[in-house]
Amino acid sequence: GAVVSQHPSWVICKSGTSVKIECRSLDFQATTMFWYRQFPKQSLMLMATSNEGSKATYEQGVEKDKFLINHASLTLSTLTVTSAHPEDSSFYICSALQGGSSSYNEQFFGPGTRLTVL
Amino acid sequence: GENVEQHPSTLSVQEGDSAVIKCTYSDSASNYFPWYKQELGKRPQLIIDIRSNVGEKKDQRIAVTLNKTAKHFSLHITETQPEDSAVYFCALEGGGKLIFGQGTELSVKP
Repeated sequence: GAVVSQHPSWVICKSGTSVKIECRSLDFQATTMFWYRQFPKQSLMLMATSNEGSKATYEQGVEKDKFLINHASLTLSTLTVTSAHPEDSSFYICSALQGGSSSYNEQFFGPGTRLTVL
Repeated sequence: GENVEQHPSTLSVQEGDSAVIKCTYSDSASNYFPWYKQELGKRPQLIIDIRSNVGEKKDQRIAVTLNKTAKHFSLHITETQPEDSAVYFCALEGGGKLIFGQGTELSVKP
């Protein structure tokens, strides 16, 4: 089956520092990857859509200069939280879409990264 | 934009009973409706999905029904077990991305 990994699984950082989260599709090529943020007891909120080789598309209200997304290859996307603040503490989850079909395909989710900003 | 309303937000049932979660939506162009189960601190797991060309799909104790005219779809879990306890999210595909419902915390009491 399609497997997506994320690294790190958890990270604690000081306020003002930057944190990079990696999302990898291990056994398939992901034409599109998505980044979500999930606060406790809430739903998944889409932050941005990332297509390989092009700029990410951010959802309304998500600061693109704060949440830098790079999708340099068909198997890797990275999310960098810049100048992190305590309110950025959350569960960040990526997902990958396997292309090649005219119908909408299943998104394969990574295990998530728990970010805590002190 | 597209909106998905999910009810109830919490659901408590006795082991062996059935559980039903319902979602309503507004965009008639949506054609893909997945359901996810998420345990605390873990990734969402796809448990069943349905496309708009069918009205019902079943996989063992789990079934999903879709009414495109009324714009709602429901998850049915029969013979619930304590390990079914989790948060369940409905979702639909809109504009090339998934839009999630607010989630239902299901608790199955032994």
